[in-house]
Amino acid sequence: QVQLVESGGGVVQPGTSLRLSCAASGFTFSNYAMHWVRQAPGKGLEWVAVIWYDGNNKYYADSVKGRFAISRDNSKNTVYLQMSTLRGEDTAVYHCGREGKAAAARGWIDPWGQGTPVVVSS
Amino acid sequence: DIQMTQSPSTLSASVGDRVTITCRASQSVSDSLAWHRQKPGKAPTLLIYKASTLESGVPSRFSGSGSGTEFTLTISSLQPDDFATYYCQQYDSSWTFGQGTKVEVK
Repeated sequence: QVQLVESGGGVVQPGTSLRLSCAASGFTFSNYAMHWVRQAPGKGLEWVAVIWYDGNNKYYADSVKGRFAISRDNSKNTVYLQMSTLRGEDTAVYHCGREGKAAAARGWIDPWGQGTPVVVSS
Repeated sequence: DIQMTQSPSTLSASVGDRVTITCRASQSVSDSLAWHRQKPGKAPTLLIYKASTLESGVPSRFSGSGSGTEFTLTISSLQPDDFATYYCQQYDSSWTFGQGTKVEVK
C-alpha cells in the first residue's frame, strides 16, 4: 500500500539548519508531485511547499520562502525539505503528502505521512 | 492569497446526530476543494475531493457540496470514529487550509 515515512526532525537552536526526508513506497513516485505541510502545537495545518513530479517546479508559502528548499530524488523515492535560518515559529510537526492525481498540476493532498517533529528552541 | 474560513470552530454533538461544517473561500475556488479528517496524534486522511467526490473507502455518511466560495461537509449520522478535527483545503490557487473544526462529544 502507499506509504510515506518522514524522518530527520529534532530539537535545534534558532538560526540553524535541518533537513527532513520523506521516503515513499507503494506507488510510482516519479509520477506525483509531493508536498510538505506543517502543524504547530495545538494549531491547524499550514501548507509549506510543493515540488512537481519531475522536480522542474517548486512553490513555497510566503512564511518560508527564501529559507526552505524542497527537492526530490526520484531514484531514491524520496522528497526532502532543507530548512535554514530556523525560527521559533517553525516549531511544528512536518508532514509530507502526495498529490492526489498522477502528473497533476494542482490538486488535493492524499495520502499523508505521520509526520516528524521539529522544535526550534534555545 | 486565498483565505479559507471554517465555521463553527468547535461543534458539540452526539452519536447519531447530523453534522454540517461550512467552509468559505475569500474568492472563488471553483470546485477545487477537499475535506480531510484528523484524529488526535494522527495524520490527516482525505474524505472528499472536487468538493463532492467521496474518496474510495470513505463511508457514505460523509458528503460534500458547494462551489465557488461556499462549501459544506455533512456527516449524516455521527459515529464514534468521527469525533475529530476536520479541515477544508483549497487547491485552485496555491494551497490553503481552513483553521479546522473540532467535533467533540456533547
